Amino acid sequence: GENVGLHLPTLSVQEGDNSIINCAYSNSASDYFIWYKQESGKGPQFIIDIRSNMDKRQGQRVTVLLNKTVKHLSLQIAATQPGDSAVYFCAEKVQGGKLIFGQGTELSVKP
Amino acid sequence: NAGVTQTPKFQVLKTGQSMTLQCAQDMNHNSMYWYRQDPGMGLRLIYYSASEGTTDKGEVPNGYNVSRLNKREFSLRLESAAPSQTSVYFCASSDIQGGFSQPQHFGDGTRLSIL
Repeated sequence: GENVGLHLPTLSVQEGDNSIINCAYSNSASDYFIWYKQESGKGPQFIIDIRSNMDKRQGQRVTVLLNKTVKHLSLQIAATQPGDSAVYFCAEKVQGGKLIFGQGTELSVKP
Repeated sequence: NAGVTQTPKFQVLKTGQSMTLQCAQDMNHNSMYWYRQDPGMGLRLIYYSASEGTTDKGEVPNGYNVSRLNKREFSLRLESAAPSQTSVYFCASSDIQGGFSQPQHFGDGTRLSIL
């Protein structure tokens, strides 16, 4: 169904701690997943992606985990910094190459 | 490289006015997309163009039209603006490499208010 809430889920972490942002996706046939970061007043910025033939992928300070059994995706950010404060969206690729975006999670990093 | 460029960045319209939002990408991508983003929500697909010469409806196409002018440019038109179309509009582009989908790259958006 469509999200109608006006308030994003929020995650508040202390600078230097690890952050975990979770996402449930809807389509068991989706084969490609992306995490985006969106700062205020900007467009979504690509962070990391993962294909359905993998269950883990690592980047610089970020790791994405994919659990196809329960249709769950997570983004782990190591040693979170104030510059990581933003809204994070997961997206799944469905038929025709289109992306379906999650509602987003707002990450707030306390110095 | 500029990536994806959207114009204008801000616009205020009156109900019933028309407007075209412009988008251009310099990455030689085949596919282009228009999304809208409302407060507290993720992006919803309005229209997309899988390749030059083709366009298809997305999740929320009503009240909009698009034109894929050439490979670089994809415009979104509001023929008769309504307050419900107040939103932030994002354009994106992407491609396929080696048979695999690549991430969509986004512009910085057009903030549109309709009074």
